[in-house]
Amino acid sequence: GAVVSQHPSRVICKSGTSVKIECRSLDFQATTMFWYRQFPKQSLMLMATSNEGSKATYEQGVEKDKFLINHASLTLSTLTVTSAHPEDSSFYICRAMGGSTDTQYFGPGTRLTVL
Amino acid sequence: AQSVAQPEDQVNVAEGNPLTVKCTYSVSGNPYLFWYVQYPNRGLQFLLKYITGDNLVKGSYGFEAEFNKSQTSFHLKKPSALVSDSALYFCAVRDGGATNKLIFGTGTLLAVQP
Repeated sequence: GAVVSQHPSRVICKSGTSVKIECRSLDFQATTMFWYRQFPKQSLMLMATSNEGSKATYEQGVEKDKFLINHASLTLSTLTVTSAHPEDSSFYICRAMGGSTDTQYFGPGTRLTVL
Repeated sequence: AQSVAQPEDQVNVAEGNPLTVKCTYSVSGNPYLFWYVQYPNRGLQFLLKYITGDNLVKGSYGFEAEFNKSQTSFHLKKPSALVSDSALYFCAVRDGGATNKLIFGTGTLLAVQP
């Protein structure tokens, strides 16, 4: 069964609103969470890395004030897209990693469409 | 910096034939290499990885990959393709240091015709 879940799986919102995406590790404690975005027919681009209880580390070019990441517990990380615009429409995927690098799984992804 | 390249955007193969999806890498130090598969509107599923040891790595769903240091390649292979293997395949390398970041290739769409 799935060990990492994402909610919602699909969301449509109006331009200017904020959207929160949750990533949960179900069977293990995720000390590190990675957030990726994927445009159609393109590869996964790492947005940020977060360790539980610490501020996220963002990749170059990713606006930390626009993509808010919270990793307050060992089983939950959230990505909030603030003041969403149509260009933020994308597929967002989380990757959760436990204490061992062998324990890492991707979430099923969240399709965000901003109208 | 670590990187992987997937030279083919798409690979077409007939069902029952062998398939190869190519990947080459560029790393400093020892390479940690991975293959993932993605079905439409789904997250990534782990297929296999190479860390050390045997150059031929066997993974899920009958896939295998051969690590070739001299050619800096890590091609994904399967002896007999299934229509259900049709999906997007990503090669990835783990970034150096303690970050555990995965750097992905651009992906190869595998289309298996019945």
